Amino acid sequence: DAGVIQSPRHEVTEMGQEVTLRCKPISGHNSLFWYRQTMMRGLELLIYFNNNVPIDDSGMPEDRFSAKMPNASFSTLKIQPSEPRDSAVYFCASSFGSGQNTGELFFGEGSRLTVL
Amino acid sequence: GDSVTQMEGPVTLSEEAFLTINCTYTATGYPSLFWYVQYPGEGLQLLLKATKADDKGSNKGFEATYRKETTSFHLEKGSVQVSDSAVYFCADRRAAGNKLTFGGGTRVLVKP
Repeated sequence: DAGVIQSPRHEVTEMGQEVTLRCKPISGHNSLFWYRQTMMRGLELLIYFNNNVPIDDSGMPEDRFSAKMPNASFSTLKIQPSEPRDSAVYFCASSFGSGQNTGELFFGEGSRLTVL
Repeated sequence: GDSVTQMEGPVTLSEEAFLTINCTYTATGYPSLFWYVQYPGEGLQLLLKATKADDKGSNKGFEATYRKETTSFHLEKGSVQVSDSAVYFCADRRAAGNKLTFGGGTRVLVKP
């Protein structure tokens, strides 16, 4: 079975450019999470969706970041304009369930973003 | 707010040594507790979990016991292998909501 699929795996861009990261969760999962991992700050939750609805976006750094989930099988994380401090590995994860019954999180392999 | 604290790494061990990674949480209520492992170049994957006090999670020779009295969930393995080299993350999930809160991660390096 396919796991969580993220694209691109690697992205190198210049400051000021728009970056779009994509995620396809595991079929049947109803929760989707975007995390950012850096050496300095570790693993941070940016936003999560339940049944395609954003539930908690308190981790989104600022207005330059936006995330959408137009349907159950696709989500995007967009950074516009990008800055060097956005360089990180961005992980998407999905799970099934809600509230206390949320199951295991399954992570994608991550998208490594470098902003020059 | 809620937080998870784990020992800083890197932890360097020889093969067959005993491994302990400390983890404590400060969540109120009765969180579920998890250990995730991240191998080089990969995403995180669940290693083990415990959902209530005194539960013991175990997998691949790793164990962790949910200790409510000390708010801890320390990870242990009696005899590590080179293939256990990875970054280990402790995490909790609050009683309400899907959100997992991760610790800072502990890098473990096992040398032959």
